[in-house]
Amino acid sequence: DQQVKQNSPSLSVQEGRISILNCDYTNSMFDYFLWYKKYPAEGPTFLISISSIKDKNEDGRFTVFLNKSAKHLSLHIVPSQPGDSAVYFCAASVGQGGSEKLVFGKGTKLTVNP
Amino acid sequence: AAGVIQSPRHLIKEKRETATLKCYPIPRHDTVYWYQQGPGQDPQFLISFYEKMQSDKGSIPDRFSAQQFSDYHSELNMSSLELGDSALYFCASSLVFGRQGTYEQYFGPGTRLTVT
Repeated sequence: DQQVKQNSPSLSVQEGRISILNCDYTNSMFDYFLWYKKYPAEGPTFLISISSIKDKNEDGRFTVFLNKSAKHLSLHIVPSQPGDSAVYFCAASVGQGGSEKLVFGKGTKLTVNP
Repeated sequence: AAGVIQSPRHLIKEKRETATLKCYPIPRHDTVYWYQQGPGQDPQFLISFYEKMQSDKGSIPDRFSAQQFSDYHSELNMSSLELGDSALYFCASSLVFGRQGTYEQYFGPGTRLTVT
């Protein structure tokens, strides 16, 4: 049973526009959420995270929104750049801000077209 | 900045052979995690160590074992390899003790294991 779901396997946007990647979770015990970016043949690279006590966290072009009641989070990238093209994984954990095991979604492949 | 180092990057083994994967965490990180990512799949948690003690265990087969050494590097030992063990194996590290706030896990480049 997939506890973290990324229902869009792929997303294509134009350079300069906004990319919105979505993630849903089922386990109400999750209290820390992270987004990772992955290029082929590389390990996941940490992008941004959010604690369940917040509903928004922003870091440069990246903003993560959390809606606890809907068990939904999203990653916004503005403006999107061709170098952002990668697979984006949503991950969640229980307890201590990510020190516990991560449960991943299946990823969304983002393509930013010049 | 120093990152997580994994070796080897690629490994080819035959069925029923054994394999050892090594992970060197970011300096001063005290926790190591192992994940397995099959083709087209999301990374699945295998096992983790905090201060050289096993801290959590996921879907790790009994044929696999792991440990963390005094220098904090970790090794994943895999025996009686099966075709289904072919996957990317990621190691991640984080600093848990003594920090306030968040404890993001930083991943290594992975070891691609192919069992033939």
